[in-house]
Amino acid sequence: KQEVTQIPAALSVPEGENLVLNCSFTDSAIYNLQWFRQDPGKGLTSLLLIQSSQREQTSGRLNASLDKSSGRSTLYIAASQPGDSATYLCAVGNSGAGSYQLTFGKGTKLSVIP
Amino acid sequence: DAGVIQSPRHEVTEMGQEVTLRCKPISGHNSLFWYRQTMMRGLELLIYFNNNVPIDDSGMPEDRFSAKMPNASFSTLKIQPSEPRDSAVYFCASRSTGTLINIQYFGAGTRLSVL
Repeated sequence: KQEVTQIPAALSVPEGENLVLNCSFTDSAIYNLQWFRQDPGKGLTSLLLIQSSQREQTSGRLNASLDKSSGRSTLYIAASQPGDSATYLCAVGNSGAGSYQLTFGKGTKLSVIP
Repeated sequence: DAGVIQSPRHEVTEMGQEVTLRCKPISGHNSLFWYRQTMMRGLELLIYFNNNVPIDDSGMPEDRFSAKMPNASFSTLKIQPSEPRDSAVYFCASRSTGTLINIQYFGAGTRLSVL
């Protein structure tokens, strides 16, 4: 059974700092990996999706990497801003017959201090 | 498109009452998911529909939970009778399986409190 872990559970950084959020998964037979953002009282918004054949994806100040062999992904946020404060969730898309399934980590709550 | 629409946004009920959560997926999407989010367990998939047919309900915690999708634009998740441990945020998500991109679009969720 796929398990997804995100460490740390919470992170506080000063505005302008570059930061890295970590995600690890136990089964490397994945279809894809997604990073989501969740704001308080709201749903999840997909930020980046990396297919299993890819190594990284970039969108603006965000860069996500994937290392299937080691079961790890990172989300890099450059020049952090207070508006980046949210909970970031990593979700692994399983391969094969269960490819619709996303297994989520519990998230990292990010606070960017002005 | 308005995105995935869930109602109500908040629900407070007493133990033993029936609760019905509603979801309208994005038009044209043919897959629908119900999730439950708690602090302890994070986000868990409850049930998955494809073309209005339940494909995987292995995440439904017990017989008190049931879900239906009578047509492509509407789904319900019902809890009867409700219990305090059902208190959580329930999310609905939809996606189109007609593309290679497996992105699910989430609604804003229903925060359920069972007293």
